[in-house]
Amino acid sequence: IAGITQAPTSQILAAGRRMTLRCTQDMRHNAMYWYRQDLGLGLRLIHYSNTAGTTGKGEVPDGYSVSRANTDDFPLTLASAVPSQTSVYFCASSAEAGSGANVLTFGAGSRLTVL
Amino acid sequence: GQNIDQPTEMTATEGAIVQINCTYQTSGFNGLFWYQQHAGEAPTFLSYNVLDGLEEKGRFSSFLSRSKGYSYLLLKELQMKDSASYLCAVISNDYKLSFGAGTTVTVRA
Repeated sequence: IAGITQAPTSQILAAGRRMTLRCTQDMRHNAMYWYRQDLGLGLRLIHYSNTAGTTGKGEVPDGYSVSRANTDDFPLTLASAVPSQTSVYFCASSAEAGSGANVLTFGAGSRLTVL
Repeated sequence: GQNIDQPTEMTATEGAIVQINCTYQTSGFNGLFWYQQHAGEAPTFLSYNVLDGLEEKGRFSSFLSRSKGYSYLLLKELQMKDSASYLCAVISNDYKLSFGAGTTVTVRA
């Protein structure tokens, strides 16, 4: 089934530890995104990539990094996790960036708890 | 920055109609989306409006007024499975999608 796969589904992490959330899509979409979702705040964009080899900062990039070595994969890394990074993280993709009709397909989410 | 407002919660009865309003103030405008998100699941696409007017898709309709910075999502003949959060999102000049906090709709029997 075509779509986006995120791993892990859920993780509890000690503060200060490094963590990478994985995201893979098989739709050959050019653009990929990482959002975090917190109660009362909605989805906020962390980082994005318009095409393989390029990345950009979203609304809340601090404490996170991404890479886009190929079309399919877009991992999100927390170099040194802090409790405020406790959230549900959604990876998403779209066929093209820079288009108004930019329908996003979302992964199932990764629930991260930092203690 | 972007400012997208929608009510936090709404409750309606099965078979009824519910209208979810969304107002926005953004840096330019390239379209407005509505997504549905069931608890514990990923958001899924419902509708896209870029021109003023009403777009109808089965039991769901979405309206846009660009001059007023206003949209609504209309859910007709409510079913229990429509209990979910509904997210309003706007594409601004940088073609990034900004989301409102979402409206949780509870459908009661």
